[in-house]
Amino acid sequence: NAGVTQTPKFRILKIGQSMTLQCAQDMNHNYMYWYRQDPGMGLKLIYYSVGAGITDKGEVPNGYNVSRSTTEDFPLRLELAAPSQTSVYFCASSSRLAGGGDTQYFGPGTRLTVL
Amino acid sequence: GESVGLHLPTLSVQEGDNSIINCAYSNSASDYFIWYKQESGKGPQFIIDIRSNMDKRQGQRVTVLLNKTVKHLSLQIAATQPGDSAVYFCAEKVQGGSEKLVFGKGTKLTVNP
Repeated sequence: NAGVTQTPKFRILKIGQSMTLQCAQDMNHNYMYWYRQDPGMGLKLIYYSVGAGITDKGEVPNGYNVSRSTTEDFPLRLELAAPSQTSVYFCASSSRLAGGGDTQYFGPGTRLTVL
Repeated sequence: GESVGLHLPTLSVQEGDNSIINCAYSNSASDYFIWYKQESGKGPQFIIDIRSNMDKRQGQRVTVLLNKTVKHLSLQIAATQPGDSAVYFCAEKVQGGSEKLVFGKGTKLTVNP
């Protein structure tokens, strides 16, 4: 298994541009997540999905959109890039276990700079 | 509200010593906790987890201790190796509630040879 994959690895955007960060997992996990990590900080949840067709906001959803049309893919969309969205973006997935365990598996991240 | 924080932002140890990384949480309803390791330029990697019905759990060279009375979590790494150098995050969650895993800011562990 490749696990969780993310593309691109790096991207520079101009203010106002849009882009989609891709995330895919091949572990048949039902839960998927998008986080952002600012320098020297922990991860903050942007959006998450508990299954295909279902998404919900996390802690910092403003400026982002997501969709989940398949179990495998969970793209994150930035419509009007702003400098405040300069960050490293991590996608994660997990499989709900009996008893409620929640080990999240993370992708390698996308480093985004908005100038 | 929920918040997870760490007592020390950096920790430097000698190779072969034991390391202890601490974490405080404020949500008394949190009942599931995870430690992640993040190496430079990589995504977080699961180390060990613990549920609130336990106060100790051991893995390979790692032990997590949970003190619910003072809402404190610690990660102990035995015989620390240079490969253990990374940022360590604790995270908390309320099982059966919000799906949100709340992360702390992280502690940077440096292992000196």
